[in-house]
Amino acid sequence: ETGVTQTPRHLVMGMTNKKSLKCEQHLGHNAMYWYKQSAKKPLELMFVYNFKEQTENNSVPSRFSPECPNSSHLFLHLHTLQPEDSALYLCASSQGVGGRTDTQYFGPGTRLTVL
Amino acid sequence: AQTVTQSQPEMSVQEAETVTLSCTYDTSESDYYLFWYKQPPSRQMILVIRQEAYKQQNATENRFSVNFQKAAKSFSLKISDSQLGDAAMYFCAYRSRGNNNDMRFGAGTRLTVKP
Repeated sequence: ETGVTQTPRHLVMGMTNKKSLKCEQHLGHNAMYWYKQSAKKPLELMFVYNFKEQTENNSVPSRFSPECPNSSHLFLHLHTLQPEDSALYLCASSQGVGGRTDTQYFGPGTRLTVL
Repeated sequence: AQTVTQSQPEMSVQEAETVTLSCTYDTSESDYYLFWYKQPPSRQMILVIRQEAYKQQNATENRFSVNFQKAAKSFSLKISDSQLGDAAMYFCAYRSRGNNNDMRFGAGTRLTVKP
């Protein structure tokens, strides 16, 4: 379970704060993802990066800003969030994108609470 | 768009017994991938089993097996000899074959294992 790590594991922030979530993968993968997991809702894909290039943005509000400086690290910068943004944010990685062997491996998540 | 439906929000099983979790999906594609993920209370999502749509043979992984009915668009998970450690949320997921890696998840089934 240490292939994909996320920090912090828990975060409480006010609506005017700016914070960042960090994800790191130690699997030598080239693709990384951010998902949002809200209570009683299916996981929602937010962003996909492949070889550091963003390939997917599922109509995510601009208060969420991803950054992928290299294939091993992915950040999610947060600013002026709303209480409805409170959720578990999961990071995942895969070898590539779309191929037969490109299974996604998940991190433990960051539990975000917006007050 | 593809949708994944898990009609059982909660299931329970006696230790050492067998349980089947249901999943149906909607797609017009002929080649795709299906997954079952397990999310224990610690929250890290773990891949349980995967199935490639072009393969008729049902995938198996130790005590976990699937019943893949392509025509019916059904992908159920059978857990044999249930163990206490199997207690978790189980998510069914669909992924298209292609250049993107957009996974569609069901809402999940919470499995309780009774000693």
